[in-house]
Amino acid sequence: QVQLQESGPGLVKPSETLSLTCAVSGYSISSGYYWGWIRQPPGKGLEWIGSIYYSGTTYYNPSLKSRVTLSVDSSKNQFSLKLSSVTAADTAVYYCARSEKGNNGLYYYYYMDVWGKGTTVTVSS
Amino acid sequence: SYEVTQPPSVSVSPGQTASITCSGDKLGGKYVCWYQQKPGQSPVLVIHQDNKRPSGIPERFSGSNSGNTATLTISGTQTMDEADYYCQAWDSSTAVFGGGTKLTVL
Repeated sequence: QVQLQESGPGLVKPSETLSLTCAVSGYSISSGYYWGWIRQPPGKGLEWIGSIYYSGTTYYNPSLKSRVTLSVDSSKNQFSLKLSSVTAADTAVYYCARSEKGNNGLYYYYYMDVWGKGTTVTVSS
Repeated sequence: SYEVTQPPSVSVSPGQTASITCSGDKLGGKYVCWYQQKPGQSPVLVIHQDNKRPSGIPERFSGSNSGNTATLTISGTQTMDEADYYCQAWDSSTAVFGGGTKLTVL
């Protein structure tokens, strides 16, 4: 059974860099799938941050791209998110998820089939 | 950037059929998936590629997508189905979520 577990500081100061890691168990990251991050501000909806393939191919939300760095550590079977220059608007529950991406020759599909439990990150001085 | 729109709320009586819509320009030309999120929990994938149910998702959940609208249908809605539902599409190498619909079963 595939499981994902987020970890990282729960409190980050404004202008600093938010760093989170997602540990994967029950599946080898280097076997396939994309591995991504999604966040949810308090009382609001879901926002996709981006995803990475084990080979390093990345996709980013254009609205966050300039501040986001994704990386994979296959040896530890985990992947990471760095979000720079954070503000209070970055306060949210951050989820990691396994993502399936493919196409049928006409259309692309992309969906997140396994999610972590989420970790709350607060940006405050 | 591409946008998809959902109604903020939908109400349904137990045992009836609930329909939640997701609208976007030429959405029928993209694959749509749906997630269920209950309070304090992570989202759960209930439909992918417009109408495919992942293993373990009850048959009462179904999906369709045509024109500018995708629809999540819950037949014989149960009280346990009360949750927030999010549609999501893939456009220009970006995953786009709808704003979410709160389904109330009463």
